[in-house]
Amino acid sequence: QVQLRQSGPGLVKPSQTLSLTCAISGDSVSNNNAAWNWIRQSPSRGLEWLGRTYYRSRWSNDYAVSVKSRIAINPDTSKNQFSLQLNSVTPEDTAVYYCARGLSGTIDCWGQGTLVTVSS
Amino acid sequence: QSVLTQPPSASGTPGQRVTISCSGSSSNIGRNTVDWYQQLPGTAPKVLSYSNNQRPSGVPDRFSGSKSGTSASLAISGLQSEDEADYYCAAWDDSLKGWVFGGGTKLTVL
Repeated sequence: QVQLRQSGPGLVKPSQTLSLTCAISGDSVSNNNAAWNWIRQSPSRGLEWLGRTYYRSRWSNDYAVSVKSRIAINPDTSKNQFSLQLNSVTPEDTAVYYCARGLSGTIDCWGQGTLVTVSS
Repeated sequence: QSVLTQPPSASGTPGQRVTISCSGSSSNIGRNTVDWYQQLPGTAPKVLSYSNNQRPSGVPDRFSGSKSGTSASLAISGLQSEDEADYYCAAWDDSLKGWVFGGGTKLTVL
C-alpha cells in the first residue's frame, strides 16, 4: 500500500522560500506510470494544483501557470522522495499543502497535509 | 474561482438519495475522466469514484459517479450521518495542462 509522508516547516517568512518534502513508501518515484504532484488548499482558493514531476525515460515537470515563475518540483531517487520549493512567498501562499500520486489518470493517494503559514 | 463548478451545499435526511453536480468544459470534463473525493474535517481528500464511475475497493456501492458531455455527478444513496463531509470533483485540463478541481460541496445530513 502506497503511503506519502510529508515534512517541512509550518511557518515561512514573506519573500522567503517554502520547502516541503514528500517521502514515498510502497512505490517508486521513478515509476513510469506515476506522476508526483503538489496540491494546496486554502479557504480563498480552494484546491489548487501546483505542479508535478514524472519519469518517462527522462524526468519532466508540469507547473500551474499561477506559480510557474517561482516553483520547482524535484525528485530524489536516492531517498525515493520528491520536493516542493516555492520562492518569494506572500501571505496569499498560506495554505495546507498536499503531496499526491497520480496514477492512470487519477490522483489516488494523498499525503497527510502540511499547514504552511506565511507570516513575519 | 474554481474551473469546475459545484453547488456550495447539499443536504438530505438519512436514507435519502442525494446528487452533487460538477460542470466543466470541453478542455477538461469533455475530454478526460472525472474523479470524486470526500474530505472529512482535518483530513486529506479520499477518492470515492475515479475514471467517471469506478469505485476503489472499500468504497460502499452507495456512492456512484457518472459523466455526460461536459458535466458529471456523484450520487449518494441511503444517506448516512457519516457521509457529512465536503465533496470535490476533479479532472485533467488539456488547455491548462494541469489538474482542475471544483469548489467543493458541503453535504449536511439533517
